[in-house]
Amino acid sequence: SAVISQKPSRDICQRGTSLTIQCQVDSQVTMMFWYRQQPGQSLTLIATANQGSEATYESGFVIDKFPISRPNLTFSTLTVSNMSPEDSSIYLCSARGTGVEGYTFGSGTRLTVV
Amino acid sequence: KQEVTQIPAALSVPEGENLVLNCSFTDSAIYNLQWFRQDPGKGLTSLLLIQSSQREQTSGRLNASLDKSSGRSTLYIAASQPGDSATYLCAPHAGGTSYGKLTFGQGTILTVHP
Repeated sequence: SAVISQKPSRDICQRGTSLTIQCQVDSQVTMMFWYRQQPGQSLTLIATANQGSEATYESGFVIDKFPISRPNLTFSTLTVSNMSPEDSSIYLCSARGTGVEGYTFGSGTRLTVV
Repeated sequence: KQEVTQIPAALSVPEGENLVLNCSFTDSAIYNLQWFRQDPGKGLTSLLLIQSSQREQTSGRLNASLDKSSGRSTLYIAASQPGDSATYLCAPHAGGTSYGKLTFGQGTILTVHP
């Protein structure tokens, strides 16, 4: 199954700034996704990262706040913009390959906004 | 909208016990179902993938079953070990127009005491 390298693993940011999270997959994958996990909560899907076109956002998430890029079949970025303490969460990327191995997740980015 | 419930929310057992974790979902029109474990502050590790045509899947001490018609899945852990301590998440894979999206429950927090 695909292996995902996600970075940074953690960061502490000032409110009002932006942070870009990167995910690199070791093989070409058909689908990539970004999730948020707020403290003590389960995972919530932010958006589907579409290769060569705009991401598809879930209800409650907007492009201005969470711009996503996916320039090719192995790489994607998520930016958390104009951060506030409420954005403090773990952000995870996920990918699905072309086979039947299911979904793989990156190791997550623990973001703290102060 | 898919909703996933996992029971129990938390479980604390002595080493060596056999365990059953339950997952129920409201929309039975799923594609596959996947079980993950998450260690504190970390990403998700895939444990088992049950494809829509399968009723169960086994890996080592883990066995997962799926009954799509009743909207239920069960993860059985045999001879539990302290290293099994983690949060266990089930995630049905959406089909149809929502293909590729995973919905997560709150998880079962498992603690295995030496």
